[in-house]
Formats: sequence, structure tokens, C-alpha cells
Amino acid sequence: LAKTTQPISMDSYEGQEVNITCSHNNIATNDYITWYQQFPSQGPRFIIQGYKTKVTNEVASLFIPADRKSSTLSLPRVSLSDTAVYYCLVGDLLSSNTGKLIFGQGTTLQVKP
Amino acid sequence: NAGVMQNPRHLVRRRGQEARLRCSPMKGHSHVYWYRQLPEEGLKFMVYLQKENIIDESGMPKERFSAEFPKEGPSILRIQQVVRGDSAAYFCASSPDSFTDTQYFGPGTRLTVL
Repeated sequence: LAKTTQPISMDSYEGQEVNITCSHNNIATNDYITWYQQFPSQGPRFIIQGYKTKVTNEVASLFIPADRKSSTLSLPRVSLSDTAVYYCLVGDLLSSNTGKLIFGQGTTLQVKP
Repeated sequence: NAGVMQNPRHLVRRRGQEARLRCSPMKGHSHVYWYRQLPEEGLKFMVYLQKENIIDESGMPKERFSAEFPKEGPSILRIQQVVRGDSAAYFCASSPDSFTDTQYFGPGTRLTVL
């Protein structure tokens, strides 16, 4: 599984757009990029997943450049309730025989009023 | 549709006792995963189970830890003779039909070993 690097922490203010970038230089051809969100004292929650270009859902957008060596999670107009740890995961979900997710340290996002 | 349920939410044990953590997957989910989160650390995979089968236990400590997912009933993570280093949050996740599906996590069980 490809190693990921993301900032340890980020600060933002309510109403701003937040972009969290994840580096994955050794991403393999079959790897997907997945982001999870974890609130204090709760289990992680799936946010978004993509392979290339752009993916958007009701919560976030995921931008993946052509070389796929990085990805950016974009949260539009954050609120205080978006304060959480955000994990970027990269892995080949199709050819492996196990579903284990490899979590890094994640990015702690602090949204201020 | 109820989410993944874990109980107890908090568990206190003294060194040497046994800890039993339960996980009921979402309805219709047949794949269960256990993860451990030590204080100030990220989540670490422990074990992946399907009904009555252990598929991948590469993250399980070699001793004192065991897991099962019987045909009927919840998945159980069992820790024998707990030590202070076992104090952590233990999360269970489930997915519907395949390990390629999105994993849905439960609220976790926080184990404290005195």
C-alpha cells in the first residue's frame, strides 16, 4: 500500500473553504484514494473516494491530478462541526484479498468561529 | 437501518482480567473488521472476519488476543490477561458484500486497564 503524507494540522474559520492535500508519490496503477473523517470519541466516517480527476458528493470534493501523486480534499464553507481528523488512504481494493485500511496520522482540522 | 453497534462503550478491567468486546455489524453486512487506536495514535488494523472465518489476522498480537464472528450473533474481540498497554479505543467496522465495499465504523469501545 502506498505511503501517504498529509499535514498534521490545519486551522480555518467558519464559512471558509478548506483544502487538505495528501501526497502519495508511490501510488500504484490500481490504487484508489479514500478519505475518512473522525470526530473525537467516534469511529471514522467515509467521506469520499476517487481514482482520477474530480469526484464530488454532498459533503466534499476530491481533486486528483493526472499523475495521481497527490490528491486534495475540498470542504466547502466549513462550520465548527467540521472540526475533526481527516485521513487520506491509498490502496488497491480490487486485487488484494483483504479489506484492511491503513490509516496514517491524519490531518487535524480546527475550525474557529 | 441501525449502524454498526459496539458494546460496551466503556470497559474497565484490572490487569490480568479478560476483556470481551462485541460488535454487531450493520444489517446485511457479512464482513467485519477490528481496529485499535492507542492514545494519540492513528487506527491500526487488527483482524478481518467473515461469518465463521478469519480472513486476515495480520494485525493481531500473537498472544492473548482472539476474534470470532460466529454464524449467529455478534463478532467478539477477546483479550485475555489484559495489561495496561491494552488500554485503547477498539473500533469495529463492517461492509456489505466484499472487502472492496466501503467500511462503516461503529462508535468504539474504550478499554481502560487499571
